[in-house]
Amino acid sequence: GESVGLHLPTLSVQEGDNSIINCAYSNSASDYFIWYKQESGKGPQFIIDIRSNMDKRQGQRVTVLLNKTVKHLSLQIAATQPGDSAVYFCAETRYNFNKFYFGSGTKLNVKP
Amino acid sequence: DTAVSQTPKYLVTQMGNDKSIKCEQNLGHDTMYWYKQDSKKFLKIMFSYNNKELIINETVPNRFSPKSPDKAHLNLHINSLELGDSAVYFCASSQGGKNTEAFFGQGTRLTVV
Repeated sequence: GESVGLHLPTLSVQEGDNSIINCAYSNSASDYFIWYKQESGKGPQFIIDIRSNMDKRQGQRVTVLLNKTVKHLSLQIAATQPGDSAVYFCAETRYNFNKFYFGSGTKLNVKP
Repeated sequence: DTAVSQTPKYLVTQMGNDKSIKCEQNLGHDTMYWYKQDSKKFLKIMFSYNNKELIINETVPNRFSPKSPDKAHLNLHINSLELGDSAVYFCASSQGGKNTEAFFGQGTRLTVV
Protein backbone atom coordinates (compact mmCIF):
# COMPACT_ATOMS: atom_id res chain seq x y z
CA GLY A 1 0.00 0.00 0.00
CA GLU A 2 1.05 3.64 -0.53
CA SER A 3 0.10 6.98 0.95
CA VAL A 4 0.62 10.47 -0.29
CA GLY A 5 0.98 11.99 3.16
CA LEU A 6 -1.24 15.02 3.41
CA HIS A 7 -3.86 13.71 0.98
CA LEU A 8 -4.14 10.24 2.54
CA PRO A 9 -3.34 10.57 6.22
CA THR A 10 -4.32 6.95 6.91
CA LEU A 11 -2.78 3.96 5.16
CA SER A 12 -4.22 0.48 5.66
CA VAL A 13 -2.22 -2.54 4.59
CA GLN A 14 -2.46 -6.27 5.02
CA GLU A 15 0.06 -7.96 7.27
CA GLY A 16 2.98 -9.17 5.18
CA ASP A 17 2.53 -6.57 2.46
CA ASN A 18 5.02 -3.78 1.82
CA SER A 19 4.09 -0.24 2.89
CA ILE A 20 5.17 3.03 1.37
CA ILE A 21 4.70 6.27 3.27
CA ASN A 22 5.40 9.50 1.46
CA CYS A 23 6.41 12.94 2.61
CA ALA A 24 6.90 16.20 0.76
CA TYR A 25 9.19 18.75 2.34
CA SER A 26 9.32 22.41 1.53
CA ASN A 27 12.76 23.73 2.37
CA SER A 28 15.33 23.13 -0.34
CA ALA A 29 18.04 24.05 2.18
CA SER A 30 17.20 21.05 4.37
CA ASP A 31 20.02 18.57 4.35
CA TYR A 32 19.12 15.98 6.96
CA PHE A 33 15.94 13.96 7.15
CA ILE A 34 14.55 11.54 9.69
CA TRP A 35 11.61 9.20 9.85
CA TYR A 36 9.96 8.81 13.23
CA LYS A 37 7.39 6.30 14.42
CA GLN A 38 4.91 7.29 17.10
CA GLU A 39 2.86 4.62 18.82
CA SER A 40 -0.25 5.53 20.76
CA GLY A 41 0.58 7.23 24.05
CA LYS A 42 4.30 7.41 23.34
CA GLY A 43 6.80 9.89 22.04
CA PRO A 44 8.20 9.77 18.49
CA GLN A 45 10.89 7.14 18.06
CA PHE A 46 13.72 7.33 15.54
CA ILE A 47 13.49 4.82 12.70
CA ILE A 48 16.01 5.85 10.07
CA ASP A 49 17.74 8.95 8.78
CA ILE A 50 19.29 10.11 5.55
CA ARG A 51 21.60 12.95 4.59
CA SER A 52 21.16 15.04 1.49
CA ASN A 53 24.26 13.59 -0.15
CA MET A 54 22.47 10.23 -0.38
CA ASP A 55 19.33 9.15 -2.22
CA LYS A 56 18.74 5.83 -0.51
CA ARG A 57 19.45 4.27 2.83
CA GLN A 58 18.44 0.88 4.13
CA GLY A 59 17.84 -0.40 7.60
CA GLN A 60 16.24 -3.52 8.96
CA ARG A 61 13.03 -3.92 6.93
CA VAL A 62 12.97 -0.17 6.24
CA THR A 63 14.30 1.86 3.35
CA VAL A 64 14.27 5.62 2.99
CA LEU A 65 14.40 7.24 -0.44
CA LEU A 66 15.21 10.89 -0.97
CA ASN A 67 14.48 12.81 -4.15
CA LYS A 68 15.88 16.29 -3.73
CA THR A 69 14.76 17.40 -7.16
CA VAL A 70 11.11 17.22 -6.20
CA LYS A 71 11.69 17.54 -2.43
CA HIS A 72 10.19 14.16 -1.69
CA LEU A 73 10.97 11.54 0.92
CA SER A 74 9.52 8.07 1.27
CA LEU A 75 9.68 5.31 3.84
CA GLN A 76 9.30 1.75 2.65
CA ILE A 77 8.52 -0.95 5.19
CA ALA A 78 8.96 -4.51 4.00
CA ALA A 79 6.71 -7.32 5.19
CA THR A 80 4.62 -5.01 7.37
CA GLN A 81 3.73 -6.41 10.77
CA PRO A 82 0.98 -5.51 13.26
CA GLY A 83 3.66 -3.93 15.45
CA ASP A 84 4.31 -1.43 12.68
CA SER A 85 0.89 0.16 13.26
CA ALA A 86 1.61 3.73 14.34
CA VAL A 87 1.77 7.29 13.06
CA TYR A 88 4.85 7.98 10.95
CA PHE A 89 6.42 11.41 10.65
CA CYS A 90 9.14 12.74 8.45
CA ALA A 91 11.31 15.48 9.89
CA GLU A 92 13.75 17.80 8.16
CA THR A 93 16.47 20.07 9.36
CA ARG A 94 19.42 22.02 8.13
CA TYR A 95 23.05 21.64 9.10
CA ASN A 96 23.70 22.98 12.59
CA PHE A 97 20.24 24.45 12.78
CA ASN A 98 19.13 22.76 16.02
CA LYS A 99 15.52 22.61 14.90
CA PHE A 100 13.51 19.82 13.32
CA TYR A 101 10.43 20.53 11.19
CA PHE A 102 7.89 17.74 11.20
CA GLY A 103 5.49 16.73 8.46
CA SER A 104 1.84 16.17 9.26
CA GLY A 105 2.14 12.43 9.78
CA THR A 106 0.59 9.33 8.23
CA LYS A 107 -1.24 6.72 10.25
CA LEU A 108 -0.40 3.17 9.27
CA ASN A 109 -2.96 0.47 10.09
CA VAL A 110 -1.81 -3.10 9.62
CA LYS A 111 -4.63 -5.61 9.26
CA PRO A 112 -3.91 -9.15 10.42
CA ASP B 1 16.96 3.67 32.36
CA THR B 2 14.88 6.25 30.49
CA ALA B 3 16.87 8.52 28.19
CA VAL B 4 14.47 11.48 28.15
CA SER B 5 11.94 11.59 30.95
CA GLN B 6 9.19 14.10 31.58
CA THR B 7 6.83 14.55 34.46
CA PRO B 8 3.95 14.48 34.87
CA LYS B 9 2.59 12.22 32.12
CA TYR B 10 -0.92 13.64 32.56
CA LEU B 11 -1.93 17.05 33.80
CA VAL B 12 -5.51 18.27 34.17
CA THR B 13 -5.98 21.82 35.38
CA GLN B 14 -8.37 24.74 35.29
CA MET B 15 -8.13 27.79 33.10
CA GLY B 16 -6.07 30.53 34.61
CA ASN B 17 -3.82 28.25 36.64
CA ASP B 18 -0.03 28.10 36.39
CA LYS B 19 1.65 24.76 35.85
CA SER B 20 5.09 23.30 35.15
CA ILE B 21 6.33 20.30 33.23
CA LYS B 22 9.77 18.92 34.00
CA CYS B 23 12.19 17.23 31.64
CA GLU B 24 15.48 15.49 32.19
CA GLN B 25 17.83 13.72 29.79
CA ASN B 26 20.66 11.39 30.75
CA LEU B 27 22.19 11.16 27.27
CA GLY B 28 24.76 13.88 27.77
CA HIS B 29 23.24 15.89 24.94
CA ASP B 30 23.87 19.59 24.53
CA THR B 31 20.54 20.53 22.98
CA MET B 32 17.04 20.18 24.38
CA TYR B 33 13.66 21.04 22.91
CA TRP B 34 10.02 21.46 23.70
CA TYR B 35 7.50 20.44 21.07
CA LYS B 36 3.72 20.77 21.13
CA GLN B 37 1.52 18.15 19.48
CA ASP B 38 -2.05 19.18 18.75
CA SER B 39 -5.15 17.04 18.43
CA LYS B 40 -4.35 16.39 14.77
CA LYS B 41 -0.95 15.00 15.73
CA PHE B 42 0.91 17.95 14.25
CA LEU B 43 4.26 18.42 16.01
CA LYS B 44 5.54 21.95 16.25
CA ILE B 45 8.74 23.14 17.88
CA MET B 46 8.34 25.67 20.67
CA PHE B 47 11.81 26.16 22.11
CA SER B 48 15.34 24.93 21.69
CA TYR B 49 18.13 25.28 24.23
CA ASN B 50 21.80 24.62 23.70
CA ASN B 51 24.00 24.33 26.78
CA LYS B 52 21.38 26.08 28.93
CA GLU B 53 20.97 28.96 26.52
CA LEU B 54 17.81 29.69 24.56
CA ILE B 55 18.53 29.51 20.84
CA ILE B 56 15.08 29.14 19.33
CA ASN B 57 11.76 30.60 20.43
CA GLU B 58 9.12 29.89 17.80
CA THR B 59 6.71 32.77 18.47
CA VAL B 60 5.29 31.08 21.51
CA PRO B 61 3.15 33.29 23.82
CA ASN B 62 5.19 34.67 26.66
CA ARG B 63 2.92 32.79 29.08
CA PHE B 64 5.25 29.91 28.24
CA SER B 65 8.63 30.21 29.91
CA PRO B 66 11.26 27.51 29.56
CA LYS B 67 14.00 27.23 32.13
CA SER B 68 17.20 25.23 31.90
CA PRO B 69 19.01 24.98 35.24
CA ASP B 70 21.67 22.79 33.65
CA LYS B 71 22.10 21.15 30.27
CA ALA B 72 20.42 17.93 31.42
CA HIS B 73 17.17 19.67 32.39
CA LEU B 74 14.67 21.79 30.52
CA ASN B 75 11.48 22.66 32.33
CA LEU B 76 8.43 24.37 30.89
CA HIS B 77 6.35 26.73 32.98
CA ILE B 78 3.00 27.92 31.71
CA ASN B 79 1.16 30.87 33.25
CA SER B 80 -2.54 31.66 33.01
CA LEU B 81 -3.46 28.48 31.21
CA GLU B 82 -6.00 28.70 28.40
CA LEU B 83 -8.24 26.08 26.82
CA GLY B 84 -6.15 26.24 23.64
CA ASP B 85 -3.08 25.12 25.55
CA SER B 86 -4.54 21.63 25.78
CA ALA B 87 -2.16 19.38 23.86
CA VAL B 88 0.61 16.85 24.34
CA TYR B 89 3.94 18.46 25.11
CA PHE B 90 7.12 16.59 24.23
CA CYS B 91 10.57 17.21 25.50
CA ALA B 92 13.44 16.05 23.30
CA SER B 93 17.21 16.20 23.22
CA SER B 94 19.90 15.82 20.61
CA GLN B 95 23.63 16.11 20.40
CA GLY B 96 23.03 19.21 18.31
CA GLY B 97 25.09 20.40 15.41
CA LYS B 98 25.56 18.19 12.44
CA ASN B 99 22.95 15.65 11.56
CA THR B 100 21.92 13.99 14.77
CA GLU B 101 18.45 12.80 15.56
CA ALA B 102 16.34 14.03 18.45
CA PHE B 103 15.30 11.64 21.19
CA PHE B 104 11.84 12.24 22.62
CA GLY B 105 10.28 11.81 26.02
CA GLN B 106 6.95 10.03 26.44
CA GLY B 107 4.98 13.27 26.45
CA THR B 108 2.81 15.18 28.91
CA ARG B 109 -0.87 15.33 28.06
CA LEU B 110 -2.13 18.68 29.30
CA THR B 111 -5.87 19.19 29.54
CA VAL B 112 -7.17 22.61 30.46
CA VAL B 113 -10.80 22.68 31.63
